[in-house]
Amino acid sequence: GDSVTQMEGPVTLSEEAFLTINCTYTATGYPSLFWYVQYPGEGLQLLLKATKADDKGSNKGFEATYRKETTSFHLEKGSVQVSDSAVYFCALRTGRRALTFGSGTRLQVQP
Amino acid sequence: SAVISQKPSRDICQRGTSLTIQCQVDSQVTMMFWYRQQPGQSLTLIATANQGSEATYESGFVIDKFPISRPNLTFSTLTVSNMSPEDSSIYLCSVPITGNIMNTEAFFGQGTRLTVV
Repeated sequence: GDSVTQMEGPVTLSEEAFLTINCTYTATGYPSLFWYVQYPGEGLQLLLKATKADDKGSNKGFEATYRKETTSFHLEKGSVQVSDSAVYFCALRTGRRALTFGSGTRLQVQP
Repeated sequence: SAVISQKPSRDICQRGTSLTIQCQVDSQVTMMFWYRQQPGQSLTLIATANQGSEATYESGFVIDKFPISRPNLTFSTLTVSNMSPEDSSIYLCSVPITGNIMNTEAFFGQGTRLTVV
């Protein structure tokens, strides 16, 4: 079945540091890929998405590129802020199925 | 986008009791999904609720423990039955918002934080 593997957290960075959160997947068919973010005390929000190979999703300075050859969808941001502290979930969806989530990566950004 | 309202937002319940969680969507949707997020963990799909048919449960989840109703295209309930402390989790409902089916993203309710004592 479908699965998503994310790097273990927590990830602790200083403000303005470069962020990478690795995500790889296995799926039947051609999945759509997503990054969701959960800020402290809030619900799950879509951060960005990509629906086909080589697509780049971007939002709020975050980017991720759909790499079919490496089955990856790594999340990157050039300069993180304290306000980016949250839990980040990589997810995929194939067809009409529900989302399959990775384990989540907690990001802590220190001033 | 969609607005999803979940009630209650949180509750503390005694073991052995049951809690029904409501999910209201501001638009008609064919499928609604119920997830569980145990403390410090990711989201696990409990079941898919389609209007007018029985819910489809994922491995490890059964109807007797998590009965689901789906009376119309904008509303669903999930009941957590005969609760134990292991049921303490955040329960979320989710709906896909359709455009091109492969572009569908999912919207989530704020979740119901359940603590069983």
